Amino acid sequence: EVQLLESGGGLVPPGGSLRLSCAASGFIFSSSAMSWVRQAPGKGLEWVSSISATGGRTFYADSVKGRFTISRDSSKNTLYLQMNSLRGDDTAVYYCGQEIWFENWGQGTLVTVSS
Amino acid sequence: QSVLTQPPSASGTPGQRVTISCSGSSSNIGSNYLYWYQHLPGTAPKLLIYRNDQRPSGVPDRFSGSKSGTSASLAISGLRSEDEADYYCAAWDDSLSGLLFGGGTKLDVL
Repeated sequence: EVQLLESGGGLVPPGGSLRLSCAASGFIFSSSAMSWVRQAPGKGLEWVSSISATGGRTFYADSVKGRFTISRDSSKNTLYLQMNSLRGDDTAVYYCGQEIWFENWGQGTLVTVSS
Repeated sequence: QSVLTQPPSASGTPGQRVTISCSGSSSNIGSNYLYWYQHLPGTAPKLLIYRNDQRPSGVPDRFSGSKSGTSASLAISGLRSEDEADYYCAAWDDSLSGLLFGGGTKLDVL
C-alpha cells in the first residue's frame, strides 16, 4: 500500500522559512516523479512543484519560483520542499503526491504564515 | 485565476447522471492527458480518472471521463450521497511547464 506522510508544517512569520518533508513507502520511490500541491483556505488546488524520478529536473509554479526548492533523497525515500521568503498567501495545506499527476496523495500538512 | 475552466457548482438527485466540464487550450488539454480528482473536505484528494478516461483500481465504473480537443468532461452516473465533494480537473501545460488545475466544481447531491 502506498503511503505518503507529510511533516514540517506550522506557524511561521512573514519572511520566514520552513522545510516540508514527505516520507514515502509502498512503491519504488526512486522510479517515481514526485510533486507538491497546496490548497489555501477556501480556495482550490494549486500545483506548486514537481521533481523527476532522478531529481535532475525540477518544475515550479510562477508563484513560488525563486523562493521554494524541491528536492528528494532516495536513500531515505523522502521528498522535501524548502520554502523561503514566505508570504501570507503561502498559507495553505500542502500535499505531496506520487508522480506529476498525483497518483497517490498524502494527508497534507498545514502551513500558516502570520505574525 | 485558473486557466482550466470548470463550473463552480453542479447538482443532482440520487440516481441521476451529472457531468462536469473542463475547458482549456491547445497548450494543456489539447496536447496532454487530462486528470480528474475528487476531494472531500478534511481528507486527501483522490485520483478519479487518469489519462483522459482511465479509472484507477477501486474507482467505481459510475465515474467516467472523456476528452475532445481542448475540452473534457467527467460523468457520474447513478449519483449517490457520498459523491458530494469537490471535483478538479488537471492537465500539464506545455507553455507554463507546469500542472494546471481547474478551479474546482462543488457537487451537491440533493
